[in-house]
Amino acid sequence: GAVVSQHPSWVICKSGTSVKIECRSLDFQATTMFWYRQFPKQSLMLMATSNEGSKATYEQGVEKDKFLINHASLTLSTLTVTSAHPEDSSFYICSATEGLEETQYFGPGTRLLVL
Amino acid sequence: KQEVTQIPAALSVPEGENLVLNCSFTDSAIYNLQWFRQDPGKGLTSLLLIQSSQREQTSGRLNASLDKSSGRSTLYIAASQPGDSATYLCAVRNTGGFKTIFGAGTRLFVKA
Repeated sequence: GAVVSQHPSWVICKSGTSVKIECRSLDFQATTMFWYRQFPKQSLMLMATSNEGSKATYEQGVEKDKFLINHASLTLSTLTVTSAHPEDSSFYICSATEGLEETQYFGPGTRLLVL
Repeated sequence: KQEVTQIPAALSVPEGENLVLNCSFTDSAIYNLQWFRQDPGKGLTSLLLIQSSQREQTSGRLNASLDKSSGRSTLYIAASQPGDSATYLCAVRNTGGFKTIFGAGTRLFVKA
């Protein structure tokens, strides 16, 4: 089946630094990728939808200048958490699909801890 | 706005018991519905995917049903095992925008 990878799997950083998370589709071309975050003991919340070659669409309440998303190729999307603060500590998961009507496949997630 | 609710929030059962997890959604204009398993601190494992035109899907001891008109889905687990202990998430993918909305999950504990 289709595989989506994320890197890194976990990261610890100091408050104020920026962190980049990669999401890759390994054996298919992902025209659309979705980014989610999950706070402890809560469910996944959609942050943004990114389409290859265009600007991401952010959900209400998600700061686009803080969470920079780049989907520069059909196999890679990146999420950069700029000037991270402890409240940004969360589990970030991406999903990818060949087309909006196709099955979406989820990555294993990246755990971010901001000290 | 689509809302997904899962009941119960937590469930503890003895090993061997059959159980049902419930998921309800407010907007019936769905593209598909998917059940996931999530172990503590881990990512998602897809269990069953039901397309909007389907009524149920089965995989091993798992059976998921979908009733779009009533906005409900159930996940049936037969002969539960301690290894089934995890959080089970219901996720609805809408036709408009194809966004996926997750329920809060049901935390299942199967006692040996």
